[in-house]
Amino acid sequence: GAVVSQHPSRVICKSGTSVKIECRSLDFQATTMFWYRQFPKQSLMLMATSNEGSKATYEQGVEKDKFLINHASLTLSTLTVTSAHPEDSSFYICSARKAGNSGNTIYFGEGSWLTVV
Amino acid sequence: AQTVTQSQPEMSVQEAETVTLSCTYDTSESDYYLFWYKQPPSRQMILVIRQEAYKQQNATENRFSVNFQKAAKSFSLKISDSQLGDAAMYFCAYRSFHTGANSKLTFGKGITLSVRP
Repeated sequence: GAVVSQHPSRVICKSGTSVKIECRSLDFQATTMFWYRQFPKQSLMLMATSNEGSKATYEQGVEKDKFLINHASLTLSTLTVTSAHPEDSSFYICSARKAGNSGNTIYFGEGSWLTVV
Repeated sequence: AQTVTQSQPEMSVQEAETVTLSCTYDTSESDYYLFWYKQPPSRQMILVIRQEAYKQQNATENRFSVNFQKAAKSFSLKISDSQLGDAAMYFCAYRSFHTGANSKLTFGKGITLSVRP
């Protein structure tokens, strides 16, 4: 089956620094990748949609300068949290839509825990 | 815009019994997909079942089945012969049939299912 891998699974960074989370589709090409944020016992909140080779589309209320998303290839999208603060601590999940797929299946990564101290 | 409503935050079921998780949605579209995702404590999102709106037949995957009522915009999940491993958070999700920017998943708030031994 299709596999999406996120790295790192857990990361701790100091306040004010930047941290990058990678999302890779291991065995398929992904034209579209999605980034979500999830707080404990809450639903997934879509942050942005990234398409290979173009700028990401951010959801309302999400600071694009703070959460930089790059989708440089058909198998890799990255989320960079810039100047991280403790309130950015959260669980971040990516998902990928298979290229050529009619659109009925989206594959999720394992998620990444970010702790900002 | 589409919305997905899961009004029950928590449910509990006795092992080996049957439980039904409710979900309603609102859309003006006629073609779309509906999903149930399971998120166990590991936080990995697992696709449980998928329903295409144009199909009248309810989807079934082993112990999991749905009751899809298109006119009522209802999409409930029935878990038969509940097992301890079914304990998780369950999310109902909607996705437009169309590709592009509208291909994102819209999630409900989720329901936490516990299974009593």
